[in-house]
Amino acid sequence: DIQMTQSPSSLSASVGDRVTITCRASQNIGKYLNWYQHKPGKAPQLLIFAASNLQTGVSSRFSGSGPGTEFTLTINSLQPEDFATYYCQQGYSTPWTFGQGTRVESK
Amino acid sequence: QVLLQESGPGLVKPSQTLSLTCSVSGGSINSGAYYWTWIRRFPGKGLEWIGSIHNGGSTHYNPSLKNRLFISQDTSENLFSLNLSSVTVADTALYYCARVEAVAGVHWFDPWGQGTLVTVSS
Repeated sequence: DIQMTQSPSSLSASVGDRVTITCRASQNIGKYLNWYQHKPGKAPQLLIFAASNLQTGVSSRFSGSGPGTEFTLTINSLQPEDFATYYCQQGYSTPWTFGQGTRVESK
Repeated sequence: QVLLQESGPGLVKPSQTLSLTCSVSGGSINSGAYYWTWIRRFPGKGLEWIGSIHNGGSTHYNPSLKNRLFISQDTSENLFSLNLSSVTVADTALYYCARVEAVAGVHWFDPWGQGTLVTVSS
């Protein structure tokens, strides 16, 4: 299985901050990396697919980079609605696997 | 807009079978463009892909669950189902259903259902 490692596991930030989350794959997965946002009690939401493609309807303050083994999700000018848990997921080969999540909290 | 809704018992006894259904509205599970999948979130926060089914009925299972898992579909009711046998407390999780989209070999999950909590306890 491809192992996905996210860092940090949690972070504290303020509205307006720039936030960066890193996801590392245990092998080269090309651009086959997706990012999700999850808020308690709600369905997880796809933010970015194929490393850097913004899902329709998602704010442009979210961006992603890759490809290879190291990927980043950047949130520019953090907004109140962005406090949530973020997961990366490799879509390269089954079993599809996720990072352990990064919780973004209010400082 | 495609919406997914999970349903099933919230409490299952150890050694029994966990059965969940995902009802799909706003789109047909017969669409050849998509897979339909189950994912679970453990109390410690980690997410695990369980398995998927395609409109032709072909399935892909997580090898860690393969011996206990059966995913099926009912195209007449536009739903798909999960059966996980011989459950233990380690199967306690929030279970989600989702649609799988694939473009140029990349697979992602969108949209997801709200999730249903299943507790395994005697």
